[in-house]
Formats: sequence, C-alpha cells, structure tokens
Amino acid sequence: AQTVTQSQPEMSVQEAETVTLSCTYDTSESNYYLFWYKQPPSRQMILVIRQEAYKQQNATENRFSVNFQKAAKSFSLKISDSQLGDTAMYFCAFMKQYSGAGSYQLTFGKGTKLSVIP
Amino acid sequence: AAGVIQSPRHLIKEKRETATLKCYPIPRHDTVYWYQQGPGQDPQFLISFYEKMQSDKGSIPDRFSAQQFSDYHSELNMSSLELGDSALYFCASSLGRTGTGDGYTFGSGTRLTVV
Repeated sequence: AQTVTQSQPEMSVQEAETVTLSCTYDTSESNYYLFWYKQPPSRQMILVIRQEAYKQQNATENRFSVNFQKAAKSFSLKISDSQLGDTAMYFCAFMKQYSGAGSYQLTFGKGTKLSVIP
Repeated sequence: AAGVIQSPRHLIKEKRETATLKCYPIPRHDTVYWYQQGPGQDPQFLISFYEKMQSDKGSIPDRFSAQQFSDYHSELNMSSLELGDSALYFCASSLGRTGTGDGYTFGSGTRLTVV
C-alpha cells in the first residue's frame, strides 16, 4: 500500500511571493505517477501538475513547478508569483502505473491549506 | 469541453433514509471512481468501475452500493444513512484505469448532509 504525507497543514504567502509545499510518499512500486490537486473554496478538485516517476525532468506548468526526488520519495510543489486565486487546499496524490490487474486508486495526502495574503 | 457531471449538487436526508447520487463521466471515458471527503479530510476512495464492471473497492460501507450503466454513467446508492455519512462525494472519470497517467477529471461533488 502507498502512503502520502503532507507535513504542513497550513501555510501562508504574500501575494507575488514564492511558496513551496512539501510532500513525501512511500511505495514499493517503481513506476507511478504523482499529482498535485488544488481544491479552492468552490470545492472543485482541479489538477495542477503531474509527474511521471520514470522522468527525471521536473514538471512545470506556468507558475507551478515540482521538485521530484525519486530516491528520497519527495515531491514538492513550488508556486511562483503567488496570486490571490491560488488560495486553496492543495493535495498531493499518488497513483501507480498501469500493469494489469490491481488497484489504481488515487491515494491522497491530508492536504495543505494555502492562504495568499494581499 | 464537457466535464464530469454530478447530481444533485446538494442533498439533505434524515437518518435511516436512502440517497442516490449520480455521476455522468466525460464522453468516451470508460472508468468511474467514487470518493468520499469528510469535513477537513482528504478524499477517501470508495469504489471504481471499468467498462461497467466493478474494478476496485475501497472503504465503502456495506450499506452503500454502486453500479455503472450501459451509457457509462454511475450511481452510488446509500441506505440507512447515518450522521457520519455527511460528506462531499466526488465522482471522477478517466479513459482507461489510470487515465494514461493524466489523472482523473473530478466532478464538482455532491454535498450530502444527514440530519
């Protein structure tokens, strides 16, 4: 079974500043995907960024980037030029790569509540 | 682009009543997942369907059942409701069991309140 740990229940950042959210995971799988989801007060679960474990290059999506350290099983999210609309709960999630029968559920961390301060 | 549609958006039920939540996946998506998110909690996997057959089962109570129909929509049936069932219920869909690694697309959720 996989576990995902987010050690920062709450964080805050000034508008236009940079913030990093931490995530570590534990798995015996060698091929898998990692995700960051954003859940704003509207409660919609929105995919922010994804990383394939076999890719060494860190994923980037506009102001969002990750620092993926496979050996350390670490997957942090960096938000640059923070905006008020980034205020949300952020969930780190794990899913193993398809290999036939088995479970392919998303396993979530407990989340980090990010507040962007004007 | 079409998204995952869940209905109803809000639902209030009394204890011991039954509730049915519906999920309409993105067209051509063949896999549906149900998650339960309690207040201040992370989403917990309940059950999933691939090509109209149950593919995986998580922490779904025996009082709950679900199915995926021929048009790929899914329904989650909840009986003998308890106060602890009050939560946000998400449905998500994907093409294939892992969405080719793109993750799932989530619906907006159904907020169930049991009083």
